[in-house]
Amino acid sequence: DAKTTQPNSMESNEEEPVHLPCNHSTISGTDYIHWYRQLPSQGPEYVIHGLTSNVNNRMASLAIAEDRKSSTLILHRATLRDAAVYYCIRREGAGSYQLTFGKGTKLSVIP
Amino acid sequence: DADVTQTPRNRITKTGKRIMLECSQTKGHDRMYWYRQDPGLGLRLIYYSFDVKDINKGEISDGYSVSRQAQAKFSLSLESAIPNQTALYFCATSEIGGANVLTFGAGSRLTVL
Repeated sequence: DAKTTQPNSMESNEEEPVHLPCNHSTISGTDYIHWYRQLPSQGPEYVIHGLTSNVNNRMASLAIAEDRKSSTLILHRATLRDAAVYYCIRREGAGSYQLTFGKGTKLSVIP
Repeated sequence: DADVTQTPRNRITKTGKRIMLECSQTKGHDRMYWYRQDPGLGLRLIYYSFDVKDINKGEISDGYSVSRQAQAKFSLSLESAIPNQTALYFCATSEIGGANVLTFGAGSRLTVL
């Protein structure tokens, strides 16, 4: 039970922003939201994580809803290299070691 | 060199054979994990280890065993491989505390005929 819900697939045009949604309606107050992505023929790689506030790093931005029941991963300018499966994961509690991966969203980037 | 190295990258074997997949890391992380990925599915946790003397079962440990030979090495064994163990296997590491960010290897593709 991945405890998050994501669309199976999305498409984006190259150089356009991409908003990848994730629903985590049963999240508790100490659960973190993590995002990973898996490029073709590679292992998953960490993208970003957050708890309550919006977060930015060099790869992406994470917008977390005020009620924390949903979040959105934002790629500001999609490139062909961003075509991957994106996983939204709930990490249960600050001390939790375990990340449960669901099926993710397959992002296609159109040239 | 990769931070997390898995060997072999590809392996074809027959039913009943013993198989070992090896993982080594240069991250200096204490925690190591083995995941399995089947086509169209997410990753499922097989075993994890928090340090050299610690081994824990994950979601799908039946038919698998592990050995943590050193902080940097964590191997996964299939004592008697069966066809439904055909999958892509990933090793991952993380440090204690913090955000528990996982660093994954490139994967080992195993085919059991």
